[in-house]
Amino acid sequence: KQEVTQIPAALSVPEGENLVLNCSFTDSAIYNLQWFRQDPGKGLTSLLLIQSSQREQTSGRLNASLDKSSGRSTLYIAASQPGDSATYLCAVKSGGSYIPTFGRGTSLIVHP
Amino acid sequence: DAGITQSPRHKVTETGTPVTLRCHQTENHRYMYWYRQDPGHGLRLIHYSYGVKDTDKGEVSDGYSVSRSKTEDFLLTLESATSSQTSVYFCAISRQGDQPQHFGDGTRLSIL
Repeated sequence: KQEVTQIPAALSVPEGENLVLNCSFTDSAIYNLQWFRQDPGKGLTSLLLIQSSQREQTSGRLNASLDKSSGRSTLYIAASQPGDSATYLCAVKSGGSYIPTFGRGTSLIVHP
Repeated sequence: DAGITQSPRHKVTETGTPVTLRCHQTENHRYMYWYRQDPGHGLRLIHYSYGVKDTDKGEVSDGYSVSRSKTEDFLLTLESATSSQTSVYFCAISRQGDQPQHFGDGTRLSIL
């Protein structure tokens, strides 16, 4: 059974810092890994999807990398801003039924 | 944003009553998912569908049933609601199994 862990569970940083959020998974036979953002009381917003054949994806100040052999993905946020404050979740699709497994998320606060 | 509408957005009901939540999509995506999100548990899959009339159970399916008679609609039914089913319910869609998921805004359900 796939297990997904996100460390740290919470993070508070000053504005302008470059951040790395971690996502680890136990079964390397994955189809893809997706990063989401969730604001309080809202739904999940898709940020980046990395297919199993890819090593990284970039969107603006966000860069996600994937290392299947070590069961790890990182989400890099450059020059953090208060508007980046949210919970970030990763989800891994694996197995024959395309069922995603979610991590518990990292709660990020960027203070001015 | 993906065209996903969840209804109702908020509902308060009593123990023992039946409840139906609706997820409607305008994207013609094949896969649809129902999740619940609770503090301390994260996102957990209830049921999912991989086509019209094709559904399967997720991690926490007990007490829930689903139906998908049209591509665009996925219904989640609580046959006899219990207080433990108080939660925020999210619908998600995916064009194909290995494609990104997109989420609705959620339904906040309170069972008294």
